Amino acid sequence: QVQLVQSGAEVKKPGASVKISCKASGYTFTSYAIHWVRQAPGQRPEWMGWTNPGNGNTKYSQKFQGRIIFTGDTSASTVYMDLSSLKSADTAVYYCASGVALGYFEYWGQGTLVTVSS
Amino acid sequence: DIQMTQSPSTLSASIGDRVTITCRASLNISSYLTWYQQKPGQAPKLLIFRASSLERGVPSRFSGSGSGTDFTLTISSLQPDDFATYYCQQYYYYSELAFGGGTKVEIK
Repeated sequence: QVQLVQSGAEVKKPGASVKISCKASGYTFTSYAIHWVRQAPGQRPEWMGWTNPGNGNTKYSQKFQGRIIFTGDTSASTVYMDLSSLKSADTAVYYCASGVALGYFEYWGQGTLVTVSS
Repeated sequence: DIQMTQSPSTLSASIGDRVTITCRASLNISSYLTWYQQKPGQAPKLLIFRASSLERGVPSRFSGSGSGTDFTLTISSLQPDDFATYYCQQYYYYSELAFGGGTKVEIK
């Protein structure tokens, strides 16, 4: 079955960067785009962008342009999300998500809590 | 930017009640709308896609309707496992996917 397994919780200071991994299994890694969605405490999910592991193409939400980078390692079936210049407002659970269709998500990672605090 | 607005934000209901949640898009999104259920500490779970198509394995008491800007999620007979927060999400504008603010279904 399809699984997305993310790296563990992180605590960062303001101004630092965080890199989260998402390892896919149960399907051909290059077949589906992988999206990143975050959810601050008590807030709605917020889409951050997607990456196509098959060709390396990416699309970032305008809100995060300039401080977010998606990368991938096809040999490890893993994608990475790197978010820089962290602020307290970036404290959230970060999810990777994917699916057969474009734009919505049948499969989700378990989430990675990122806490930004001085 | 497209905005997704849900109502109500909180809903109190009893087991067996029929529950209706509304989602409104600020622009026409045709039928490119999904509904998710989320429980505390868990990732969202896909319930409905393309406004009215039931995801495999989702109970038939869940249904969706609507097109254009106005959409509805209905639970025909509320069950104990249904107490959760529900989110709509548009995917017509693929470069800016957006979620609604959520509707928390609580026990009356």
